[in-house]
Amino acid sequence: DAGVIQSPRHEVTEMGQEVTLRCKPISGHDYLFWYRQTMMRGLELLIYFNNNVPIDDSGMPEDRFSAKMPNASFSTLKIQPSEPRDSAVYFCASRGQGNTGELFFGEGSRLTVL
Amino acid sequence: AQTVTQSQPEMSVQEAETVTLSCTYDTSENNYYLFWYKQPPSRQMILVIRQEAYKQQNATENRFSVNFQKAAKSFSLKISDSQLGDTAMYFCALSWNQFYFGTGTSLTVIP
Repeated sequence: DAGVIQSPRHEVTEMGQEVTLRCKPISGHDYLFWYRQTMMRGLELLIYFNNNVPIDDSGMPEDRFSAKMPNASFSTLKIQPSEPRDSAVYFCASRGQGNTGELFFGEGSRLTVL
Repeated sequence: AQTVTQSQPEMSVQEAETVTLSCTYDTSENNYYLFWYKQPPSRQMILVIRQEAYKQQNATENRFSVNFQKAAKSFSLKISDSQLGDTAMYFCALSWNQFYFGTGTSLTVIP
């Protein structure tokens, strides 16, 4: 299996621009998580999906952030408009059925907003 | 609510020595899992070891072992015969519905 695939690996953009991060979970996994990692805040859960349905989005910072999962093999995290404080590494992770399985992480997308 | 606490932001160990990373957690649930993840400078998150809360026996994976004290809600990671490749950030995590991560311990293995 190819593992969790994220794109882009690196993104540099200017303040005010729209950013879209993409994730393909492991086939057969029905949980998908989006995390943000910064030096100041560590790993923060932004949102997670079960069977393509958002379960908990309480970690989404504000209305500028949105996430979708139109099907079992694809999810996006969008920031519009982006701000310098959004600079971080964004991880996507997936997990198989049940609440006890290992979380498999993608390689992360490093976002820099100038 | 579930919380995970790692009280050691940074640690160092001499190559070939043993080091123990601490983790405490809080949950009112009974059926949960505990994990240690490693994040080397490449930033990839790698599973090191997992522990089922209903099992009393401590998990072991080669040089990595845990000391799981359920009543004390403690879950420490012991790395034996430390190697340079063990240099990384280590995250303790609790899984119940979602994952709850600690703030991490940065481990440096000194040659």
